Amino acid sequence: DGGITQSPKYLFRKEGQNVTLSCEQNLNHDAMYWYRQDPGQGLRLIYYSQIVNDFQKGDIAEGYSVSREKKESFPLTVTSAQKNPTAFYLCASSIVIPGREQFFGPGTRLTVL
Amino acid sequence: KQEVTQIPAALSVPEGENLVLNCSFTDSAIYNLQWFRQDPGKGLTSLLLIQSSQREQTSGRLNASLDKSSGRSTLYIAASQPGDSATYLCAVRRDAGGTSYGKLTFGQGTILTVHP
Repeated sequence: DGGITQSPKYLFRKEGQNVTLSCEQNLNHDAMYWYRQDPGQGLRLIYYSQIVNDFQKGDIAEGYSVSREKKESFPLTVTSAQKNPTAFYLCASSIVIPGREQFFGPGTRLTVL
Repeated sequence: KQEVTQIPAALSVPEGENLVLNCSFTDSAIYNLQWFRQDPGKGLTSLLLIQSSQREQTSGRLNASLDKSSGRSTLYIAASQPGDSATYLCAVRRDAGGTSYGKLTFGQGTILTVHP
């Protein structure tokens, strides 16, 4: 089955800790994205990558970091510098052609204790 | 800066009703518009994608229209069912001016409840 997987589904972090969220896709998509969703709000773009070893900041990149060493994988690290990290995090991917839809993973809910 | 607004924020209807969800955007220079469904605690499922040159798209009981010049889109759901209960999100992709990437800007969503 082709798709996007995110792990873990739930993640708890103590203040001051860095945590890494996993995103893997087997759709052969070049582009991958990380979004954050807060209650009652739409999604906001954190980082995106159009090709391996390249990525760009989105609207709310402060306190986050990413890497793109493989086409299939785009992990997101939430650092201690992120002031309000409790949120639902969604990963997406798409082919790099204008107008093509993005496909989303099931999400990771991060809670800071 | 593109802003996307969805009205109403929440909607509760009896089963069988036809309903309309609204999405408006401030910058008409869009490449396309996408409607998504999100079930509680889940990821997004793409419902319909309308290119900027199109006026509407249909899939089963769903019909989405786009009026780019007025900055509006509507999602029409016919003969609603309890299984349609979810949050519906619209997102616009900006016109990237020939480059391959166009950012998606999301509305805050409409929470739909269809009761038996």
